[in-house]
Amino acid sequence: EAQVTQNPRYLITVTGKKLTVTCSQNMNHEYMSWYRQDPGLGLRQIYYSMNVEVTDKGDVPEGYKVSRKEKRNFPLILESPSPNQTSLYFCASSLSGGGYEQYFGPGTRLTVT
Amino acid sequence: DQQVKQNSPSLSVQEGRISILNCDYTNSMFDYFLWYKKYPAEGPTFLISISSIKDKNEDGRFTVFLNKSAKHLSLHIVPSQPGDSAVYFCAASATGAQKLVFGQGTRLTINP
Repeated sequence: EAQVTQNPRYLITVTGKKLTVTCSQNMNHEYMSWYRQDPGLGLRQIYYSMNVEVTDKGDVPEGYKVSRKEKRNFPLILESPSPNQTSLYFCASSLSGGGYEQYFGPGTRLTVT
Repeated sequence: DQQVKQNSPSLSVQEGRISILNCDYTNSMFDYFLWYKKYPAEGPTFLISISSIKDKNEDGRFTVFLNKSAKHLSLHIVPSQPGDSAVYFCAASATGAQKLVFGQGTRLTINP
């Protein structure tokens, strides 16, 4: 089954404790992206990647890091999480760039206390 | 600045009637528009799209209309079914841009 998977689905952590949210897709897509969803703001792009070893900032990259060492994986790293990073996070992938249909993972709900 | 706006946070419609969800945009460079549907505890799923060279696109019960002069698009669902109850996001992109710009979402509730 073609899908985007994320882990963990739910995470509660404390301020400053480094964490990684994993994302993997099995569709051989070149493009991958991370979004956060907040009430009243819709989905906002954090980082994206056009291909292996190629990443770039989205609209809200502060406090986040990403890496793309393999085509299928695109982890999101919060090196020192803060309460304003409490949000619902989605990973997405696309066959042909970020401007077309993207396939989303199930989401990771992160709470930083 | 919110380049894509969905001004109705929620909408309630009777089963069998038409649901109309609206979306406005400000960036005249946007040339591709999409609607996504999201159920609780799931990621958004692609529903329907339209290119700026068209003013209408249909897929079964779903039709998207684009009015470029008004910078407005709408999603029509006819007839509405209980399974259509979800949050609907409008999104837009510009040629060459590597992202979708999303609206805030509209929660649609279909009442039996």
